[in-house]
Amino acid sequence: SQQGEEDPQALSIQEGENATMNCSYKTSINNLQWYRQNSGRGLVHLILIRSNEREKHSGRLRVTLDTSKKSSSLLITASRAADTASYFCATDEPGGGSEKLVFGKGTKLTVNP
Amino acid sequence: DTGVSQNPRHKITKRGQNVTFRCDPISEHNRLYWYRQTLGQGPEFLTYFQNEAQLEKSRLLSDRFSAERPKGSFSTLEIQRTEQGDSAMYLCASSRGRTDTQYFGPGTRLTVL
Repeated sequence: SQQGEEDPQALSIQEGENATMNCSYKTSINNLQWYRQNSGRGLVHLILIRSNEREKHSGRLRVTLDTSKKSSSLLITASRAADTASYFCATDEPGGGSEKLVFGKGTKLTVNP
Repeated sequence: DTGVSQNPRHKITKRGQNVTFRCDPISEHNRLYWYRQTLGQGPEFLTYFQNEAQLEKSRLLSDRFSAERPKGSFSTLEIQRTEQGDSAMYLCASSRGRTDTQYFGPGTRLTVL
């Protein structure tokens, strides 16, 4: 079963614009992670945010977490063509007994030059 | 390169054949995970190891699938009597601790004809 769901499913923007992707999940978590995947390749870790954190930054990336709404957002500022990829959020399995990550279906971002 | 490595990167096989994939985790990581990803979907958890112990298996891991991690270092995932439905990207990840970042390898893309 999928815990996280990204929104929108697809996003197309011009280079230089900001891109915002959202992730909603269903039950309590310890942390939430965002990954990027270029077409047909492995996943690249972007940011991990823990349940007691509200915001984290890494370069042009900004992640927020609202545990009361069970949602997170990933903002990419000043986008570049190289940011074209699928972006996934992943949460740990609630209940504490498992270490697996549960992924959504991802947001496919296209940045047009 | 000190990241997670996987071999082979691509495997084409005929239905009914057995295949084996290998994953070498980041050297100081004692946790190793296997995921499967089909087209248009996020990765789905298969199994994970803490050192050499296999601690959790998904229902997705039918009896045709077996994973090992001898000596707590590299891991192998074997699929016996492959079916066309096994065609997917098989991803390996490793992490240092229970709630730490999982770092993914480039994946092995399996095509069953």
